[in-house]
Amino acid sequence: ILNVEQSPQSLHVQEGDSTNFTCSFPSSNFYALHWYRWETAKSPEALFVMTLNGDEKKKGRISATLNTKEGYSYLYIKGSQPEDSATYLCAATGNQFYFGTGTSLTVIP
Amino acid sequence: GAVVSQHPSWVICKSGTSVKIECRSLDFQATTMFWYRQFPKQSLMLMATSNEGSKATYEQGVEKDKFLINHASLTLSTLTVTSAHPEDSSFYICSVTHRSTLFEYFGPGTRLTVT
Repeated sequence: ILNVEQSPQSLHVQEGDSTNFTCSFPSSNFYALHWYRWETAKSPEALFVMTLNGDEKKKGRISATLNTKEGYSYLYIKGSQPEDSATYLCAATGNQFYFGTGTSLTVIP
Repeated sequence: GAVVSQHPSWVICKSGTSVKIECRSLDFQATTMFWYRQFPKQSLMLMATSNEGSKATYEQGVEKDKFLINHASLTLSTLTVTSAHPEDSSFYICSVTHRSTLFEYFGPGTRLTVT
C-alpha cells in the first residue's frame, strides 16, 4: 500500500506570487506519479505523469519535479493567477492508484 | 489509515456478466460519493454523483442503465457494471467528500478487466 501525503492542505497566495507544494510517497513499489488539477464540480485534469527519478515536467507556468529515491514530488506555479485556484491532487501508482488528499490553492486577486 | 475502501480491488469477468463494486466511507458519513473511471494515460473521468437516498446524477455520456449506482446508506455506495463488455475494462475509483473540510478522499480503485 502506498501512503501518499500532500502538504500543505490549503494555501492562499496573492496574485503574482509563485508557490509550490509537496507530494510525498513511499519510494518502494513505485511506478508513476501523477499530478492533477481539480476544480470543483469538474473531473480532475491531469497535469503531469512522471516515472523517472529526476524527471521535470512543465506546462505553461506550472512545473513539477520528481525524486523517486527520497519519495517526493514538487509542483511549482510561477506568477499565480486567480484561475489557478483549484485543488492540486497527486497520485502515486504501484499496483493501484493511491491519491493524496490534495492541496487547495486560492489565489487572491 | 484508509478513509475510503473499495472492494474488490481487482476483478476479471467474462463479457456479458455483471460486476458490483463497493465503496465504503470508513471514517465519516457521506451523503455524497463520486464515481470515476480512468482509462490508461488519461485523467480521471467523473461518471456520476451518488446521493444517499436518492437517484444518482450521471454525467453526460454515461449510460445510467449500464452503470447502476445505489447509495443505500451513509457509508456505502455501489456501482454495478451490467452486461460488461471489454470496452468497460478500466480503473474505477470512488471518492468521498468530507463535509467539514471539503477534502476529497479517494478509494484505492478497482481494476476491472472484461474478457
